[in-house]
Amino acid sequence: QQPVQSPQAVILREGEDAVINCSSSKALYSVHWYRQKHGEAPVFLMILLKGGEQKGHDKISASFNEKKQQSSLYLTASQLSYSGTYFCGTETDSSYKLIFGSGTRLLVRP
Amino acid sequence: NAGVTQTPKFQVLKTGQSMTLQCAQDMNHNSMYWYRQDPGMGLRLIYYSASEGTTDKGEVPNGYNVSRLNKREFSLRLESAAPSQTSVYFCASEQEGGMPHGGTFGSGTRLTVV
Repeated sequence: QQPVQSPQAVILREGEDAVINCSSSKALYSVHWYRQKHGEAPVFLMILLKGGEQKGHDKISASFNEKKQQSSLYLTASQLSYSGTYFCGTETDSSYKLIFGSGTRLLVRP
Repeated sequence: NAGVTQTPKFQVLKTGQSMTLQCAQDMNHNSMYWYRQDPGMGLRLIYYSASEGTTDKGEVPNGYNVSRLNKREFSLRLESAAPSQTSVYFCASEQEGGMPHGGTFGSGTRLTVV
């Protein structure tokens, strides 16, 4: 079953912060986050395994709440290069099939 | 360069024609995927292969067949193309469970069925 992402779209000014959420009705083994720029393939950002860990690099980080089967992607002090569509992908305990949410379009303006 | 290679990059088919999309990865990954992405939409899983010789249906498998020829190659076949199959097709690979580097996507095949 497809994970649910919110919001569908976000518009930011450069330097502002954003949070993108991803939730599932199934018990998750992992949550993946990808960014896709227009006309390009999705690019892997990070993966979180069940256990509630938080990961991050640079100004992009993510958390995974295993009890709620929810993950959040945090973008701080956004840059123009952060613009794109962000997808979460999930794998469940019973299957390693990577299923994606419908995406969140992020636009960062000067 | 290491990665996922898809061919062809562009294709136009007439309704009813058949074709095979090719995908190869050189990262020694076990898992391989085929997704389709319609304009402005998300990625929908067509088929998945956990290892050589195994395949499993995804969210939208109707109208497609796949073949995991060996560990490197995973092909997608459209037996009788329909306009509804106009889309961008992405192949991806990863180690089982996604660790440690997540999935790597090919550059995509843009397919138009007229």
